[in-house]
Amino acid sequence: DVKVTQSSRYLVKRTGEKVFLECVQDMDHENMFWYRQDPGLGLRLIYFSYDVKMKEKGDIPEGYSVSREKKERFSLILESASTNQTSMYLCASSLSGFNQPQHFGDGTRLSIL
Amino acid sequence: DAKTTQPNSMESNEEEPVHLPCNHSTISGTDYIHWYRQLPSQGPEYVIHGLTSNVNNRMASLAIAEDRKSSTLILHRATLRDAAVYYCIHQSSSGGSNYKLTFGKGTLLTVNP
Repeated sequence: DVKVTQSSRYLVKRTGEKVFLECVQDMDHENMFWYRQDPGLGLRLIYFSYDVKMKEKGDIPEGYSVSREKKERFSLILESASTNQTSMYLCASSLSGFNQPQHFGDGTRLSIL
Repeated sequence: DAKTTQPNSMESNEEEPVHLPCNHSTISGTDYIHWYRQLPSQGPEYVIHGLTSNVNNRMASLAIAEDRKSSTLILHRATLRDAAVYYCIHQSSSGGSNYKLTFGKGTLLTVNP
């Protein structure tokens, strides 16, 4: 089975801090994704990567950046954390090509104080 | 954005079949229909997807209407572990967003013992 592992289940940070969320997948998937999930808003795509060092903006990239130096690892960076970035963050991966199922991690619940 | 309509909630009894409906009247000819589910405190989990024909896998069956404007996810024998939010998604094949899944609010399925 595909395993997508997110480094922390819960994280508490302070406003203005630089925050790193890490995600690792073990199935050699080309595509990796970062979403955030908020009550009433569903899942929204932040960034997507289709290859090492390649990235594309999703629907809500403002305030975030990403890094993909190795195929199995995709990092989400909050450059200067703000309280409106308090959310559940979900990482996913998939094979390349259209209509491949996405496999999700269990999420990181991030609180910015 | 590709839009689907699902009931907010449904209830079932254990070991009975469950039919979860979804309307996707704006679907275009090459858009696939995906179903994911999300158990409490977990990331979404892929269930099934299809284009035109009915599909079966070990988790569920997907029945797609002939005009493709609606579909039904069928759980043949519900168990308590099937209690989750079920998301119906049609993945747009247009432009550069063919990797994107747009999650709506989904249907909260309650399974009674």
